[in-house]
Amino acid sequence: KAGVTQTPRYLIKTRGQQVTLSCSPISGHRSVSWYQQTPGQGLQFLFEYFSETQRNKGNFPGRFSGRQFSNSRSEMNVSTLELGDSALYLCASRGRTGGARYQETQYFGPGTRLLVL
Amino acid sequence: AQKVTQAQTEISVVEKEDVTLDCVYETRDTTYYLFWYKQPPSGELVFLIRRNSFDEQNEISGRYSWNFQKSTSSFNFTITASQVVDSAVYFCALSEAVTGANNLFFGTGTRLTVIP
Repeated sequence: KAGVTQTPRYLIKTRGQQVTLSCSPISGHRSVSWYQQTPGQGLQFLFEYFSETQRNKGNFPGRFSGRQFSNSRSEMNVSTLELGDSALYLCASRGRTGGARYQETQYFGPGTRLLVL
Repeated sequence: AQKVTQAQTEISVVEKEDVTLDCVYETRDTTYYLFWYKQPPSGELVFLIRRNSFDEQNEISGRYSWNFQKSTSSFNFTITASQVVDSAVYFCALSEAVTGANNLFFGTGTRLTVIP
């Protein structure tokens, strides 16, 4: 199976612009989560989508939003970019490592490195 | 509230030495899940292991082993006979059943450098 893919891999934007990042989960996975990684704050959960519905949200401002399509692909949008939004944005799709539901695990993509100037 | 502490910020070892990465967690949930991920310089988080709170059995996978102790809220990771390819940042993470168990709370990571 192909892994989680994210596009673009690198992105440079200026303050005030908006950006859209894309994530394609592992085939058969219906849950997609997004995380932000910065040197100062570490890895932080943004939100999770399952079957096109946002199921869980982290503590981020409303400028951060997302959506999921019927094929489970997900997009994340950040509006009115700030310098502090420079980060590695990681997408994870959730699926089973074994036969039982309780063995579900999140598998991560390579990330999108966003630089805001 | 949940919290994951990785007190070791950076560790350097010489190749073939054994190394243990510490992870201490806090949670009020009685059912929770613990994970270790490896992040090489490329940035992708590579899944290593998942352990459920109701399963305290330790696990060994090749040169990797994990010691889960609920009594001390610890989930430590040992690499035996380290290799240069083990150089990476390692993250311990926790998710809780009460919230749907889908968002991971990460520790701050331990940067391991294996010197040839």
